[in-house]
Amino acid sequence: DQQVKQNSPSLSVQEGRISILNCDYTNSMFDYFLWYKKYPAEGPTFLISISSIKDKNEDGRFTVFLNKSAKHLSLHIVPSQPGDSAVYFCAASPIIQGAQKLVFGQGTRLTINP
Amino acid sequence: GAVVSQHPSRVICKSGTSVKIECRSLDFQATTMFWYRQFPKQSLMLMATSNEGSKATYEQGVEKDKFLINHASLTLSTLTVTSAHPEDSSFYICSAREDRNSLQPQHFGDGTRLSIL
Repeated sequence: DQQVKQNSPSLSVQEGRISILNCDYTNSMFDYFLWYKKYPAEGPTFLISISSIKDKNEDGRFTVFLNKSAKHLSLHIVPSQPGDSAVYFCAASPIIQGAQKLVFGQGTRLTINP
Repeated sequence: GAVVSQHPSRVICKSGTSVKIECRSLDFQATTMFWYRQFPKQSLMLMATSNEGSKATYEQGVEKDKFLINHASLTLSTLTVTSAHPEDSSFYICSAREDRNSLQPQHFGDGTRLSIL
């Protein structure tokens, strides 16, 4: 049972345009959502997060949107840059007594074309 | 900031060997660290939550006696794969979280590729 799904294994975007990565989840107990970026041979690097009390969080070129009714979140990157080419993972966790249990999606490979 | 170091990055050893993997938070304290495993073409799966000064909390289906976790200090957790066999070959990765509040993100090490011959 895949509780967090990233249905697009890959995405190709032209430099300077907007990249939109999508993620769906099934567990209504998830309270906390994160996006990670991963380069080859490195661990995931934290990008941005959002808690379930918000529907948008912005940090520079990165914005995460959360639609709780649709159990959907998205990551917008604008403008896209060649260095953004990487695999992006969304993750979700319930928050129970302060504890986290991250569940990851399968990842989306983003390629930014010059 | 928020750097997590994991060592070694790659291990190749014979069946029956025990292998220890270290996870250190370099510039912050982490009461809680996490150990994940990744099978080919699958996403990261949480194995256990490592708690400083107390026993680890294991996820369902993870053998406690096979995967020994020690969280001896606020900056170090170790995972020991005991009497490793070929089916234990996998990618293992740790993460650590600053203790300020429950909404702090986890920061990951670069992982350890374990190959058991």
